[in-house]
Amino acid sequence: DAGITQSPRHKVTETGTPVTLRCHQTENHRYMYWYRQDPGHGLRLIHYSYGVKDTDKGEVSDGYSVSRSKTEDFLLTLESATSSQTSVYFCAISEGQKQPQHFGDGTRLSIL
Amino acid sequence: QKEVEQNSGPLSVPEGAIASLNCTYSDRGSQSFFWYRQYSGKSPELIMFIYSNGDKEDGRFTAQLNKASQYVSLLIRDSQPSDSATYLCAVLGGDSSYKLIFGSGTRLLVRP
Repeated sequence: DAGITQSPRHKVTETGTPVTLRCHQTENHRYMYWYRQDPGHGLRLIHYSYGVKDTDKGEVSDGYSVSRSKTEDFLLTLESATSSQTSVYFCAISEGQKQPQHFGDGTRLSIL
Repeated sequence: QKEVEQNSGPLSVPEGAIASLNCTYSDRGSQSFFWYRQYSGKSPELIMFIYSNGDKEDGRFTAQLNKASQYVSLLIRDSQPSDSATYLCAVLGGDSSYKLIFGSGTRLLVRP
């Protein structure tokens, strides 16, 4: 299995609070991604990174920010969580832009 | 908007049969195609990827790509109950963004 660790694995929080999810990889891959998965919508890209301090928006980036200060860590922050952000969040990594992506175990986030 | 379409299923096949999963995509410039398997409550797991027209075989799995008709399929030979899962088709966009677009998945049930 690709060395990807997501933390926390489960989190329940309240509307309006900030939330940060962490993705840590041991593969030294350049590309890292954050997706959310919701019933009926499949996996949708939130943000991705193509190097340290290099990030770009995905399909559903509103309400989310990311940071990557080290190759191995990619953080996803919900500045002020809303109930619509209740979802399962997956981190993925890939060696190159066209290479297959491998996924972490996911974080189940519930916002009440 | 670029789309990847899959029949949600469930597709039910008897043990030992061939399961055929199909996917169509809208972006004619798409270059790379991936199949992921996802068990309930788990993360997506890469099964196959294909870049060129034709067939690619790996064990019991065969990926088929027809760029002219814009469809990609996954055949699972000698289906086993352990193959019961949701299968996600993913297509890498043909533009310079190289973002992966996922279908909503087809649920496969293999009956013992």
